[in-house]
Amino acid sequence: GNSVTQMEGPVTLSEEAFLTINCTYTATGYPSLFWYVQYPGEGLQLLLKATKADDKGSNKGFEATYRKETTSFHLEKGSVQVSDSAVYFCALSEEGTYKYIFGTGTRLKVLA
Amino acid sequence: KAGVTQTPRYLIKTRGQQVTLSCSPISGHRSVSWYQQTPGQGLQFLFEYFSETQRNKGNFPGRFSGRQFSNSRSEMNVSTLELGDSALYLCASRGASGGVQNEQFFGPGTRLTVL
Repeated sequence: GNSVTQMEGPVTLSEEAFLTINCTYTATGYPSLFWYVQYPGEGLQLLLKATKADDKGSNKGFEATYRKETTSFHLEKGSVQVSDSAVYFCALSEEGTYKYIFGTGTRLKVLA
Repeated sequence: KAGVTQTPRYLIKTRGQQVTLSCSPISGHRSVSWYQQTPGQGLQFLFEYFSETQRNKGNFPGRFSGRQFSNSRSEMNVSTLELGDSALYLCASRGASGGVQNEQFFGPGTRLTVL
């Protein structure tokens, strides 16, 4: 079946460091891909999305490119801030259905 | 525009009891999905309702059920609670067409603790 695999956390970085959180997926067809962020005590918020191969999603300095050849959707940010500390979830939506499949989440901790 | 609201925010129940959780989607949204979030299993899809019809279902036992009302509000019910049902239950709503590429907006969740 379809699945999403994320790098395990926690990831601890200093402020202004470069961030990469790896995400790979297994899916039939052409899923849409998403990154969601969850701040403490809150629900999930959509960070960015890409709906077809080679699309680049971007928001708030975060970017991810839909790579079909490597089945990946890695999240990157050039310079993280303390306020970016949260849990990040990679997700896909199965083509032809309305189901979302989420990765296990990666906790990011940014130190001042 | 008000966001997705979930009530109650916290619940404590004992094994064998049943529980009902409520979700009010964003005004105009007709699709409501439910997820269970646990440290061990992560986020798992429970089911989705669109215009009062269950459109998709995850791999959960029949103790987990849901429904959607004509105003798009949704309820989730868990009967015969088990310790393993302790989790954060998240509800998400999606835009009018409910298409798969439409963004899901999540509520803050209901934290259920089963003792």
